[in-house]
Amino acid sequence: KNEVEQSPQNLTAQEGEFITINCSYSVGISALHWLQQHPGGGIVSLFMLSSGKKKHGRLIATINIQEKHSSLHITASHPRDSAVYICAAKDSNYQLIWGAGTKLIIKP
Amino acid sequence: DTGVSQNPRHKITKRGQNVTFRCDPISEHNRLYWYRQTLGQGPEFLTYFQNEAQLEKSRLLSDRFSAERPKGSFSTLEIQRTEQGDSAMYLCASSLAGFGYTFGSGTRLTVV
Repeated sequence: KNEVEQSPQNLTAQEGEFITINCSYSVGISALHWLQQHPGGGIVSLFMLSSGKKKHGRLIATINIQEKHSSLHITASHPRDSAVYICAAKDSNYQLIWGAGTKLIIKP
Repeated sequence: DTGVSQNPRHKITKRGQNVTFRCDPISEHNRLYWYRQTLGQGPEFLTYFQNEAQLEKSRLLSDRFSAERPKGSFSTLEIQRTEQGDSAMYLCASSLAGFGYTFGSGTRLTVV
């Protein structure tokens, strides 16, 4: 069992739909990152959170420390949101433990 | 440019040759990380520096790999006697005290 698990692995939706990507982790963490990677592109850090909720534009990230679960939401999704979204847990040794990623495709 | 810069962007080399990549982190970031990502996989941790000290090194990093951060600023990752299995995207990231990772665009290595 992976220490960081994401679901779904693949998600295809229509433009405008509300998107939710889930992340569960089994390790003790000091923070959890949500990252975005476009095809052939670099990795962009979207959020780092250790409690509660953060919002940036149409993106919302939440974390429940007790349940060891985090979600990334995208409101009013757009084709340019198509990318791989990665959840990564930062452990006490400063390493990032990566989820397998969720490949999101938003169709116009 | 205030981001993390990696050079070169692409490198094609013949098997057996040595290659060196460079990463210039955000200037005030004291931590620097190297990751390797193969097609369809998530990034794998290779090594980590705090200032000039290499604090951790993954078992993935064989003796052919060496990384330095001589003055606590830029870092280099050298691969000696490259093998086809070394073909991957090599990513560098930096952070300030472990917060707010910023990734470079990566160096794509192809060993032929």
